[in-house]
Amino acid sequence: NAGVTQTPKFQVLKTGQSMTLQCAQDMNHEYMSWYRQDPGMGLRLIHYSVGAGITDQGEVPNGYNVSRSTTEDFPLRLLSAAPSQTSVYFCASSLLGSGNTIYFGEGSWLTVV
Amino acid sequence: GDSVTQMEGPVTLSEEAFLTINCTYTATGYPSLFWYVQYPGEGLQLLLKATKADDKGSNKGFEATYRKETTSFHLEKGSVQVSDSAVYFCALSSPGNGGSQGNLIFGKGTKLSVKP
Repeated sequence: NAGVTQTPKFQVLKTGQSMTLQCAQDMNHEYMSWYRQDPGMGLRLIHYSVGAGITDQGEVPNGYNVSRSTTEDFPLRLLSAAPSQTSVYFCASSLLGSGNTIYFGEGSWLTVV
Repeated sequence: GDSVTQMEGPVTLSEEAFLTINCTYTATGYPSLFWYVQYPGEGLQLLLKATKADDKGSNKGFEATYRKETTSFHLEKGSVQVSDSAVYFCALSSPGNGGSQGNLIFGKGTKLSVKP
């Protein structure tokens, strides 16, 4: 019963480096998304997808790239890491629809130095 | 735009005390409302939800009622335990804000500490 799986759990990057946060779900959910969590800010939506081949921007998309080649996977790419991207990142998935339960991964702690 | 405002913490209570965490929202249309809980070092878990006015969500002794007239969804528990120590997030999904797909708008979170 894996649910939503994120890797890596912890990562330290240098400014300017690129990396990809992986996210996979095994619940056949159409909807997947990425949030970032910062102290005192709650969670803010970065990008989301409603199905393979379809992605859209959320509230804070700058500096991040996503793609959705399969239903299961939704990787988040940091193109050139900046200290402002130091955060905890959460991947989430659900069936489509506003009342459905959204399931979250355990989070990826990213530090950019 | 749509938004969620919840009481700021931290909130510190003694075991068996009554808990209320206030949450109010602004949204177009008819949002669905959620409470999520985050235990230390973990991801978010759905605690309860309500999808229409006057619905009451409940789980693990926690309750919240969707009040459209006051645009509120306050979280309550009659007797808290040490194991309830966590951060609680109020959230909404609204058709006007990508919520028909599933996007959530979160409050800033309220940290609850329960002392023995």
